[in-house]
Amino acid sequence: DAKTTQPPSMDCAEGRAANLPCNHSTISGNEYVYWYRQIHSQGPQYIIHGLKNNETNEMASLIITEDRKSSTLILPHATLRDTAVYYCIVRVAHSGGSNYKLTFGKGTLLTVNP
Amino acid sequence: GAGVSQSPSNKVTEKGKDVELRCDPISGHTALYWYRQSLGQGLEFLIYFQGNSAPDKSGLPSDRFSAERTGGSVSTLTIQRTQQEDSAVYLCASSLGGHYSYEQYFGPGTRLTVT
Repeated sequence: DAKTTQPPSMDCAEGRAANLPCNHSTISGNEYVYWYRQIHSQGPQYIIHGLKNNETNEMASLIITEDRKSSTLILPHATLRDTAVYYCIVRVAHSGGSNYKLTFGKGTLLTVNP
Repeated sequence: GAGVSQSPSNKVTEKGKDVELRCDPISGHTALYWYRQSLGQGLEFLIYFQGNSAPDKSGLPSDRFSAERTGGSVSTLTIQRTQQEDSAVYLCASSLGGHYSYEQYFGPGTRLTVT
């Protein structure tokens, strides 16, 4: 699996956009970028994933650079409840082997301030 | 719709006792996963069920741990003769299988404390 690099922490003002970067310079052509988050004392939460096109859902937007070596998760209007550790993961999205074992790196602690 | 539910939310047990943790996955999800997370630590994979296939038990830390999934839905994780090192949050997740195996939806977890 391609390695990812994320800043250890970020701050954001409530109501502003939170832009969380992730570097994955060794990503392969068939690897997707997944984002999860974990709010304190809760289970992890799937946010979004993408291959090469930008993606948007009700939670966030995912912007992947054209060379796919980095991506940005955007929370358009951050709220206090978005304070969490955000994890960027790069994995091949197909069945087989032990591809389903979810593992997190250190992630980015996003603190949304009032 | 309903998400993944787990029960109990908290369990305190004495060392040496057996415990059962329950997971109700999202309806229609064929894949079910158990993980545990110790305080401040990452996810530790325990076991994976996919449809009628034999489960992947490779993550179970000892033979005191077992799990079953009845009727392709509800799953129970059993820990026999609990030890203090078993104290952790036990998380259950479910997903559609195959291509969607990495979109996992987690329950709130069961916090197990062994005294």
